[in-house]
Amino acid sequence: ELKVEQNPLFLSMQEGKNYTIYCNYSTTSDRLYWYRQDPGKSLESLFVLLSNGAVKQEGRLMASLDTKARLSTLHITAAVHDLSATYFCAVPSDSNYQLIWGAGTKLIIKP
Amino acid sequence: GAVVSQHPSRVICKSGTSVKIECRSLDFQATTMFWYRQFPKQSLMLMATSNEGSKATYEQGVEKDKFLINHASLTLSTLTVTSAHPEDSSFYICSAPLWERYGYTFGSGTRLTVV
Repeated sequence: ELKVEQNPLFLSMQEGKNYTIYCNYSTTSDRLYWYRQDPGKSLESLFVLLSNGAVKQEGRLMASLDTKARLSTLHITAAVHDLSATYFCAVPSDSNYQLIWGAGTKLIIKP
Repeated sequence: GAVVSQHPSRVICKSGTSVKIECRSLDFQATTMFWYRQFPKQSLMLMATSNEGSKATYEQGVEKDKFLINHASLTLSTLTVTSAHPEDSSFYICSAPLWERYGYTFGSGTRLTVV
């Protein structure tokens, strides 16, 4: 059974600092997705990682995928308050491509 | 492109009534639709998978007679919560896979409150 674990589940940090969110999954997959969710809103796609070694960057966020280690990271550089949200990683199952979700990381960035 | 329009965004209903949530794919054909519910401060929980023209596949523990899913066309999937109770209050989100892009698109969500 595919399981996806995120850590930390909660992160409070100061503006300007760097930090990394980790996403581990239990079975082989060459795809992984990162999403952002603001309170009361739906999911916003951040990154689609499709192969081992994939690295994508958008603004202060950078995501990478290591399929051999079954690990993805979401790195935040010089955090700003606007990045406060809950971040989810998700991995598609082999059976019907449903996404298996991490528990989410609630990120609070203090001015 | 690849937008799923979900309505209503917010609904309050009385216990015992039914509520229908619609998800329309505006610029693509959604052969599959995933229906999720999300409780506060929790992750998404898959309720069921609908495929156009066939019966939905429900996850374990989800009552198919209570959560009726219809996917009669390639652009419309609906979730009807029948005989709603306060414990059905939740955030419901639909999502369609974008096969050619290896991605997924999400509806804007429906906040259901049963009073």
